[in-house]
Amino acid sequence: AQSVTQLGSHVSVSEGALVLLRCNYSSSVPPYLFWYVQYPNQGLQLLLKYTTGATLVKGINGFEAEFKKSETSFHLTKPSAHMSDAAEYFCAVRGSQGNLIFGKGTKLSVKP
Amino acid sequence: GAVVSQHPSWVICKSGTSVKIECRSLDFQATTMFWYRQFPKQSLMLMATSNEGSKATYEQGVEKDKFLINHASLTLSTLTVTSAHPEDSSFYICSAPPPGALYGYTFGSGTRLTVV
Repeated sequence: AQSVTQLGSHVSVSEGALVLLRCNYSSSVPPYLFWYVQYPNQGLQLLLKYTTGATLVKGINGFEAEFKKSETSFHLTKPSAHMSDAAEYFCAVRGSQGNLIFGKGTKLSVKP
Repeated sequence: GAVVSQHPSWVICKSGTSVKIECRSLDFQATTMFWYRQFPKQSLMLMATSNEGSKATYEQGVEKDKFLINHASLTLSTLTVTSAHPEDSSFYICSAPPPGALYGYTFGSGTRLTVV
C-alpha cells in the first residue's frame, strides 16, 4: 500500500525567502510522486511529477523537487517565495488503482 | 493541454434533494474518472472510480446508493448526490488521466456543495 506524509500543516515564509515543503512517502513499488497546488475553492494544478529518470524534477513557477529513495522523500523547494505562492500544497503518490493518494496538505503563507 | 471541465462550481440545495455534478473531458477521451471529496481543511479522499461503460468502484465507507456515478461516454462522468444531507456538504473534485500523460492527472475545478 502507498501513503504520503506531509510534515507541517502550515509553513510561513517571508517574500524572497526559500520555500521548503516536506513530503515523505511509503510505497511497496517504485513510486510515482506528484506535487499539486490548490488555491481556495479551486481544483488542483500539477506543479511537477516524478516517474522515472532524473531524481531532480523541475516544475512550473520555479518549483522543484528531489526524489531521494534512501530517505523516501520528495521535498518541494523554491529558491525565492512570491506572494502569489500562498496556497495549499499537496504531495501525492500513485495508488494501485491508478488513483492518487494525497498527503494532508501544507498551507503556505508568504509574508511581505 | 488536457482539460476537465466540472460543473457546477458551487451549489446550494435543500436536505432531501439530489444534486448532479458533471465532469467533461474537453480534448481527450477519459476512460477512467476518479471522484474525490475534500472536507474543509482536509485532504482529498478518493470516493470512487468510474470506468466508461461499466459500474463504478466505490471506496470502503462510501455509499454507492447515495453517490450515484455514471460514466456513459468517454467524455462525460457524473456524480449524483441523492437525498443530500448537511453532512454531505463538501468540495467534490473529479480527475482523469489523459492518455499518454505519464500520470499527470488533470483535475476539474471542483464543486462546492452546501446542503441546508
